Amino acid sequence: AQTVTQSQPEMSVQEAETVTLSCTYDTSESDYYLFWYKQPPSRQMILVIRQEAYKQQNATENRFSVNFQKAAKSFSLKISDSQLGDAAMYFCALIQGAQKLVFGQGTRLTINP
Amino acid sequence: DGGITQSPKYLFRKEGQNVTLSCEQNLNHDAMYWYRQDPGQGLRLIYYSQIVNDFQKGDIAEGYSVSREKKESFPLTVTSAQKNPTAFYLCASSIPGTGTLGGYTFGSGTRLTVV
Repeated sequence: AQTVTQSQPEMSVQEAETVTLSCTYDTSESDYYLFWYKQPPSRQMILVIRQEAYKQQNATENRFSVNFQKAAKSFSLKISDSQLGDAAMYFCALIQGAQKLVFGQGTRLTINP
Repeated sequence: DGGITQSPKYLFRKEGQNVTLSCEQNLNHDAMYWYRQDPGQGLRLIYYSQIVNDFQKGDIAEGYSVSREKKESFPLTVTSAQKNPTAFYLCASSIPGTGTLGGYTFGSGTRLTVV
């Protein structure tokens, strides 16, 4: 069975600084996809970024980028130029095969003005 | 606008009672999911359905039941057998095969509290 682990329950960063959220996962499959979701106080889940396991190039979406290390089964999220609106719970997730998303425990990110 | 509607937003239940959480979508998605969210544990899959009149247990199905009589609707019943039902419940939907695109749409959730 696949698992996703986020070892940082909480992180904080100064506004305009850069922060990296960690995620490790375990799967026996070679074909899978990884995601970072954001959950603001409204509790609505928002897709931040997506990475295909077969692609070596790290995904980037504006200020959000990932460091995907397939051999190490690591998938960290880097947020550059942090903004107050980035404050939220961030979930790392994995999907394979039967299309069921498996989530990590989440990291609560606080942005200090 | 297309989306997923979960109701009610807040729900209180007495111990020993069954309660049903509503999830309706107008996205024409075939697949629907129920997740439970607890602090420090992320989201855990309760049940999912890939097509009408069919559904499968997720990782924590004990004490829950679902039905999928219509494509648009996937209600979740929390039964008295669920030992610790107080949690935040999220419903999601997707087009089968697009989950890898991140194509899950989530509702805004229901907060269930046992009193």
